[in-house]
Amino acid sequence: SQKIEQNSEALNIQEGKTATLTCNYTNYSPAYLQWYRQDPGRGPVFLLLIRENEKEKRKERLKVTFDTTLKQSLFHITASQPADSATYLCALVKVSNYQLIWGAGTKLIIKP
Amino acid sequence: GAGVSQTPSNKVTEKGKYVELRCDPISGHTALYWYRQSLGQGPEFLIYFQGTGAADDSGLPNDRFFAVRPEGSVSTLKIQRTERGDSAVYLCASSAGREGVEQFFGPGTRLTVL
Repeated sequence: SQKIEQNSEALNIQEGKTATLTCNYTNYSPAYLQWYRQDPGRGPVFLLLIRENEKEKRKERLKVTFDTTLKQSLFHITASQPADSATYLCALVKVSNYQLIWGAGTKLIIKP
Repeated sequence: GAGVSQTPSNKVTEKGKYVELRCDPISGHTALYWYRQSLGQGPEFLIYFQGTGAADDSGLPNDRFFAVRPEGSVSTLKIQRTERGDSAVYLCASSAGREGVEQFFGPGTRLTVL
């Protein structure tokens, strides 16, 4: 069955350092992958999308990589700030019907 | 409106009752999605509308769940004979295109079935 794995343990990072979150998937060939941020009590907020033919995408302090051979995406936040603390979700988009399959998210905590 | 809105924000009901959850998408967005999310989990797909029609309802768990979008804008998720296992946050999202990209989410409706 299709499976998306994100680190279920919270990631604690010192302010100013780079935070790296991982999204692994199996039994799947997505058209593209998206990363979202979710704060407690709120809906997810779209951050970045990367297509299967793209290796890397950047937006300000954010960088996403996509390795279709490893079936893995990495999400980086450089110069992290306490305001970056949130849960980060990855979602794969199925080619057949554009349905999103979501990971459970990784909670990121940036300590001042 | 400026974003996706959902009402009510909280709904407490008793087992066996009927509930309706409403979603107002961003104006002009043709695609609308319903998800439900349990604590510590990612959103679970329920149904996807493109315009007025349900393009994909494969995520609806059973026939107690039904959703409509009669005019291609506002959508209502309807749950009959609610069960305690239906308790979750129900999220609605809309997007401008067909490809599931860049979905804009509402704040969700927290449904509690006692």
